[in-house]
Formats: sequence, C-alpha cells, structure tokens
Amino acid sequence: QSVLTQPPSVSGAPGQRVTISCTGSGSNIGAGYDVHWYQQLPGTAPKLLIYANTNRPSGVPDRFSGSKSGTSASLAITGLQAEDEADYYCQSYDSSLNALFGGGTKLTVL
Amino acid sequence: QVQLVQSGAEVKKPGASVKISCKASGYTFTSYHIHWVRQAPGQGLEWMGIINPSGGSTSYGQKFQDRVSMTTDTSTSTVYMELSSLRYDDTAVYYCARGVRVSWYVYWGQGALVTVSS
Repeated sequence: QSVLTQPPSVSGAPGQRVTISCTGSGSNIGAGYDVHWYQQLPGTAPKLLIYANTNRPSGVPDRFSGSKSGTSASLAITGLQAEDEADYYCQSYDSSLNALFGGGTKLTVL
Repeated sequence: QVQLVQSGAEVKKPGASVKISCKASGYTFTSYHIHWVRQAPGQGLEWMGIINPSGGSTSYGQKFQDRVSMTTDTSTSTVYMELSSLRYDDTAVYYCARGVRVSWYVYWGQGALVTVSS
C-alpha cells in the first residue's frame, strides 16, 4: 500500500486528454515537498517526465504537464498518442526525507 | 555523458545476501548522492535508501533498515548496495539513480534483477 495514491489505470483515445492524480497527505505533498512524475515503458528504467511539480526536462513534449495543489498533484497528457501507453509514477518525500512513490498508473491508449 | 552501469542479474537462495554495484561515469562522483529503488515483478517503485559518496553517509528506508548496507568506493566511482537475509519477496529489479538528498531522478542505472529462489 503506497503512501501516495494513484488510480491503478486510466485510458483514453488517441488525441484525447487524460489526467493522473497523486494524492498524499499533510506529511508529504501537503508539507510542501515537490512532486515529480516518471514514465516507465516495459522492461526499462523510469524516465523523468515532470520535476518540481510543473517543470519539463528538455526533450519531454509539452503535451505533458504537471500541477500541484494542497495534498495532491496531477499529471495531464494532451493529444494522446499510442506511444504514451506506459506506467506512470508520482514521487515525493516525507518529513523524514524518505522518498515516496505512488503505486503507479497504467495508461492504455484505446 | 552521465552513465550509471549496474552489475548483472543474480540468483540467490533464501537467507543469503546479495551485493549489487552501480558504477558512475561522466560527472564528478562525489557531487551527487546515489539512491536505490527496487521494483518487484508487476509492482511499483519502492525507495530503499540513499548514500552520499562524499563521506559515505547513508539513510535507509525503515523497511530495509535492518537488512541493507550501502557503501561507496571513490577510487572506482562505484556504489554498492548489499541486502541480507533475502526472502522470496525480495525478488525484484534493483535500480540505482543519481540525485541530491531530496530530489528527482534524471539518471538511472539499467537495473539489476535479483531472483530469490530455492
């Protein structure tokens, strides 16, 4: 059971917009710790998509965006493409400076 | 370019220990921490702990506190993670990742599969 809660799965048709939520508490996200997002394709290491809540590393398409409010954060993907089908994880920290990951969300492109 | 290259797959018996290496290159080794994250088959990511190669200070996740040891060899820019008293549910891919004390992870190792089997 992950401390950060994500929906197990989301889906959308090509071209659509989907969002993935990441819900924490006052001792992690709500305490002011940033949220980061990763995309993981089968058999590969996670790839950083969003860092510090809203920032995209160079090379990540602007179809990916992040937001944070209170004890939650969200990842939005617009203009859904077949290649976006992957697992997505949020990450933050707790007051003991332990890194926390969400349980992961499987995105299916219909 | 920054690279983290991990040692290969391992098969261990329950109760044994495993030691995985993570060799860093392409940056100043002592300028960044190394985090260890594992992923059981079909499961999510789980943070295990962190080591600061500059001085060797460590911080371990509570779940692993009694069984994990992270060390560093600055002469070879290599970090080691040893997990003892292995159980079947320690079967996982173990990743090292570069960061600072509280950070996101841009650079990851390729992962090392550890299988615990009798």
